[in-house]
Amino acid sequence: GENVEQHPSTLSVQEGDSAVIKCTYSDSASNYFPWYKQELGKRPQLIIDIRSNVGEKKDQRIAVTLNKTAKHFSLHITETQPEDSAVYFCAASILSGGYNKLIFGAGTRLAVHP
Amino acid sequence: EAQVTQNPRYLITVTGKKLTVTCSQNMNHEYMSWYRQDPGLGLRQIYYSMNVEVTDKGDVPEGYKVSRKEKRNFPLILESPSPNQTSLYFCASSSMGRGANYGYTFGSGTRLTVV
Repeated sequence: GENVEQHPSTLSVQEGDSAVIKCTYSDSASNYFPWYKQELGKRPQLIIDIRSNVGEKKDQRIAVTLNKTAKHFSLHITETQPEDSAVYFCAASILSGGYNKLIFGAGTRLAVHP
Repeated sequence: EAQVTQNPRYLITVTGKKLTVTCSQNMNHEYMSWYRQDPGLGLRQIYYSMNVEVTDKGDVPEGYKVSRKEKRNFPLILESPSPNQTSLYFCASSSMGRGANYGYTFGSGTRLTVV
């Protein structure tokens, strides 16, 4: 079936460094790629998304890039801060029964050390 | 405030005792879904619903039931809970009609323990 692979599963950085999380997807028809942040004990929350008609999107310290040919997309966090510590999930849309649904990656636990 | 409301937040129950976790959204979303989250396994879809009276199995449906009698509500039913259903559960909703793609809004989660 369709799947989304996410790497790394854990990532540890020093405050101020950059963090990059990568995902690959299998369905070439996928056209929507959101990223979710889940803080400890809380719900996943949408932080940024990208559609297949653009290659990059930026929102302050967060950016997402998409390579449709290679079927992979990445989350980039610059100038990391301790409050960026969380689990991050990528997702890709697939067409199911005429509707689009999301398939999630397994998540990346990011730890930012002061 | 636009939100997805799940209840209860925490539940401890015994094996075999039927339970229901409720989920309600106030955004008039067509699409609703249930996930379970286990360490190292990410978010796995249990069931989803495209609209009222339309439900379908996700990746891990065994031992669960759902219903969608009203657009706003999507309860998750465990007829005979077992310890391997101990998990963190999330309900999510989205306006995701044909050809459209939107992010999910998640509920606060329900931590279920079956002893």
